[in-house]
Amino acid sequence: DTAVSQTPKYLVTQMGNDKSIKCEQNLGHDTMYWYKQDSKKFLKIMFSYNNKELIINETVPNRFSPKSPDKAHLNLHINSLELGDSAVYFCASSQGRGHYNEQFFGPGTRLTVL
Amino acid sequence: AQSVTQPDIHITVSEGASLELRCNYSYGATPYLFWYVQSPGQGLQLLLKYFSGDTLVQGIKGFEAEFKRSQSSFNLRKPSVHWSDAAEYFCAVLPMDAGKSTFGDGTTLTVKP
Repeated sequence: DTAVSQTPKYLVTQMGNDKSIKCEQNLGHDTMYWYKQDSKKFLKIMFSYNNKELIINETVPNRFSPKSPDKAHLNLHINSLELGDSAVYFCASSQGRGHYNEQFFGPGTRLTVL
Repeated sequence: AQSVTQPDIHITVSEGASLELRCNYSYGATPYLFWYVQSPGQGLQLLLKYFSGDTLVQGIKGFEAEFKRSQSSFNLRKPSVHWSDAAEYFCAVLPMDAGKSTFGDGTTLTVKP
């Protein structure tokens, strides 16, 4: 029944490691997003994909690489993790490219880099 | 560039009291406007949105918001707060000619018994 799911829910890792976060939505939406929420709860968009095509790519280090194997999945791979990458990462989906369409958010993945 | 400001970082209200959370935006034209709620440990959920038309918008969970063009504001209100409303609230704006939303910094709502 889960609309937007993310795995893992928690991720603790050492600096320098490479890790991936997976996101899946079963809503039939064609647009998916990754957001980063820092410790002060500031929420910023990182990427957006529409029908597997990258449409938003904010100023994010190129250590972050999203991958969309199909419309229902948008994974986030992070290379050479740094302390500053510690945050909660939210995946979201919507129907249509416009952000005026309601976005449905996943529960988040709390990443802690030691 | 567009911006959205939520002046109140933290608000505490008593259960049953009324609530107003402020949101101001800065943009040349009227954008699309949204309010989201984030319960502890959860993702964001859309409460309501404004595109055009009636400036008083009704949302879920008994919330409403009023768009005031002259004040560039979109304040969220609820007549009687419940303990379950304790959460983080985010205002977001989307310019009609742009492709991404900008979120405010959030307001933390604490509800006293």
